[in-house]
Amino acid sequence: DGGITQSPKYLFRKEGQNVTLSCEQNLNHDAMYWYRQDPGQGLRLIYYSQIVNDFQKGDIAEGYSVSREKKESFPLTVTSAQKNPTAFYLCASRGGVNAFFGQGTRLTVV
Amino acid sequence: AQSVTQLDSQVPVFEEAPVELRCNYSSSVSVYLFWYVQYPNQGLQLLLKYLSGSTLVKGINGFEAEFNKSQTSFHLRKPSVHISDTAEYFCAVSGSNDYKLSFGAGTTVTVRA
Repeated sequence: DGGITQSPKYLFRKEGQNVTLSCEQNLNHDAMYWYRQDPGQGLRLIYYSQIVNDFQKGDIAEGYSVSREKKESFPLTVTSAQKNPTAFYLCASRGGVNAFFGQGTRLTVV
Repeated sequence: AQSVTQLDSQVPVFEEAPVELRCNYSSSVSVYLFWYVQYPNQGLQLLLKYLSGSTLVKGINGFEAEFNKSQTSFHLRKPSVHISDTAEYFCAVSGSNDYKLSFGAGTTVTVRA
């Protein structure tokens, strides 16, 4: 099936550790996105990428890093510099106008 | 840069009653507008979109939205809701020549019997 796969669904991290969230798509889309979702704040854009080997900061990029070495993959690293990383993270890809979303990863810092 | 404001954070509504969710946007360029729905602990699904042309857009599950350029609004409506419409709804905007896709804070719709 074509779609976007985020893994894992649930992730626990110890404070001070970096953690990488996976996002893979087989829709042949050029653009990919990472959003953070917190209650009452909607989806806030972390990073987005229009093409392989290129990406732009979104509205809340501090404490996060990304790479886009392959068209299909756009991993997000939550670094120890992110002060409040507990959240629901959503990845999306976009071919043309429509964006398609993964099922999300819920990250909890313990 | 574009931005979106959803004017209602929570909308309670009785089953079979109509519902309207309000969305205003700001942009200095022409835009594409979207409404998405999210069920608990899931990703987002596209309900409908406005690209150009007719200002009344029909989407899935009986939803429709009207683009109003003069009021910079894109309100979502459904004439008769069901219990299954209980979800969070997001308005989103993208410049027509821009990859950046920005979302509002969301509106939680709770449908009661």
